[in-house]
Amino acid sequence: EPEVTQTPSHQVTQMGQEVILRCVPISNHLYFYWYRQILGQKVEFLVSFYNNEISEKSEIFDDQFSVERPDGSNFTLKIRSTKLEDSAMYFCASRGRSNQPQHFGDGTRLSIL
Amino acid sequence: GESVGLHLPTLSVQEGDNSIINCAYSNSASDYFIWYKQESGKGPQFIIDIRSNMDKRQGQRVTVLLNKTVKHLSLQIAATQPGDSAVYFCAENPQAGTALIFGKGTTLSVSS
Repeated sequence: EPEVTQTPSHQVTQMGQEVILRCVPISNHLYFYWYRQILGQKVEFLVSFYNNEISEKSEIFDDQFSVERPDGSNFTLKIRSTKLEDSAMYFCASRGRSNQPQHFGDGTRLSIL
Repeated sequence: GESVGLHLPTLSVQEGDNSIINCAYSNSASDYFIWYKQESGKGPQFIIDIRSNMDKRQGQRVTVLLNKTVKHLSLQIAATQPGDSAVYFCAENPQAGTALIFGKGTTLSVSS
């Protein structure tokens, strides 16, 4: 069964540095998402991406964040000037048509020191 | 405001029992609901979904019930197995194509 894959599985970064989290969505999917989950809390929406542009973003997704689909397979989340509170699991998800569920990757654990 | 929540943070059952996990949602305009299972160290895994024009949908060992009158969603797991132990989240989709709003999750523990 096709899967969403995310790399790396764990990223440790010094505060103030930039990180790029990578995702390969399911190949024929059209809609892409990033979510985050702070330890022990619920999953929170960050941003959705369709047709090479952001279609929706949450209050969390401020100027510190950006997304890109640099080629036909990758979908990346860049976090600039990381802060301690950016430490969380970051999940990528993708979806085919609008009446289909979102499928999630296993996440990247981001630890900011 | 818009939110999706679960009634109980934890649920403990014996292997073979039926489990019921509940969820309340607040946005009456939501038209699509999904249950996800999250095992330790993994991402949310799709279990079953339901649209607002239905009140019941069955899968393999799972059933989702939707009561739009009281904005309540439940997941029933038949003959619960140790492998069902995980955190279960309900999520609502306020409108097609938009972000999912997740609840806080119920931790299901199944003992043999």
